[in-house]
Amino acid sequence: GENVGLHLPTLSVQEGDNSIINCAYSNSASDYFIWYKQESGKGPQFIIDIRSNMDKRQGQRVTVLLNKTVKHLSLQIAATQPGDSAVYFCAENTGGFKTIFGAGTRLFVKA
Amino acid sequence: DSGVTQTPKHLITATGQRVTLRCSPRSGDLSVYWYQQSLDQGLQFLIQYYNGEERAKGNILERFSAQQFPDLHSELNLSSLELGDSALYFCASSVDGGLDSPLHFGNGTRLTVT
Repeated sequence: GENVGLHLPTLSVQEGDNSIINCAYSNSASDYFIWYKQESGKGPQFIIDIRSNMDKRQGQRVTVLLNKTVKHLSLQIAATQPGDSAVYFCAENTGGFKTIFGAGTRLFVKA
Repeated sequence: DSGVTQTPKHLITATGQRVTLRCSPRSGDLSVYWYQQSLDQGLQFLIQYYNGEERAKGNILERFSAQQFPDLHSELNLSSLELGDSALYFCASSVDGGLDSPLHFGNGTRLTVT
């Protein structure tokens, strides 16, 4: 796929375990945060979002945690499945119509 | 399927040439964004349009330009191409300016400059 060769942080987990992917964001004024999943050969796909007035939001098998004090965002995936293998990006909206992406983390799920 | 359409899927051209990448946003979305994804750079924001007007600019080279047309489709023009311009170029769209809603991405145009 087109992401082969990217020197990304990598997380390897056993199928069925929980995964935690971390992200440090840059702008303390950012007020909207999004996690995306990118599979090989595809564009990034929206997973879950959170606004700055919240510190936790849950979706189906996914939870996003926001710590504004240390400008940290995390994505938790419960009962990780082989289909969760992908590159995961956090993104922040800094106001002024810009959405800026983090460097990404590659998740490998071992069967 | 995100509803965002990008053409062409693949493009191979020589250094010094000019190419045009096309994007049709999701129905109802007014904002269009362009991102570049290289092997060692992640997703780099290039430019954003809202209802035909440029609203935000990232690290877009002067050799690159874009526009959004009245029917809301967008084109990204890359000229005087260099080997380093080889990358995946993604278009995304959103209802608003991304302030309160996620971006929806197309599957990209892979540009190879030889």
